[in-house]
Amino acid sequence: DTEVTQTPKHLVMGMTNKKSLKCEQHMGHRAMYWYKQKAKKPPELMFVYSYEKLSINESVPSRFSPECPNSSLLNLHLHALQPEDSALYLCASSHPTGDSGNTIYFGEGSWLTVV
Amino acid sequence: AQSVAQPEDQVNVAEGNPLTVKCTYSVSGNPYLFWYVQYPNRGLQFLLKYITGDNLVKGSYGFEAEFNKSQTSFHLKKPSALVSDSALYFCAVRDRGGSNYQLIWGAGTKLIIKP
Repeated sequence: DTEVTQTPKHLVMGMTNKKSLKCEQHMGHRAMYWYKQKAKKPPELMFVYSYEKLSINESVPSRFSPECPNSSLLNLHLHALQPEDSALYLCASSHPTGDSGNTIYFGEGSWLTVV
Repeated sequence: AQSVAQPEDQVNVAEGNPLTVKCTYSVSGNPYLFWYVQYPNRGLQFLLKYITGDNLVKGSYGFEAEFNKSQTSFHLKKPSALVSDSALYFCAVRDRGGSNYQLIWGAGTKLIIKP
């Protein structure tokens, strides 16, 4: 079982709605990630937080707004999304440093449908 | 440009037979190499990784992978396939000299194990 927990598992939202995806990890990791995955495609990196600071933003549209309240929690705030934003959103975590081939561990994902 | 290739979109294997899912990469230097599995409607699960040392790496669920530096390959193998191994498999690579956070992903291989 994954130690990265994501809620909700499924979300349907209209294009004018505001919603949030939530993620929690209890592995003591100090790097947390948001990925977007379309069906049968590899995941695409969106954001990385390292030690609660935004480290990477892969030119993600501003309708996606990440937040890292503390070292265990990661949120993704959604506003004015488009139907093409419908996808599986994966949260992940890892150790942020070290020459150890740090493994990235994923949650089960949140299935988002924008109508 | 750095890249990861999974040359087969789909691999079909009879239950009980050995399976191989291929992965080759083009990354400068000595990379970290990973395999992940995604069961239907689930998140990604880490299977195994190569960091250094023995070229044969053993991982979860009886899977193993062999690192071949001269052929720049990291093929995933299992001696005897189970129907429950049917899933989408992703190979991923991290450049040792690059970001701790970014993985280069293959396109994925759908593995179908037939009873």
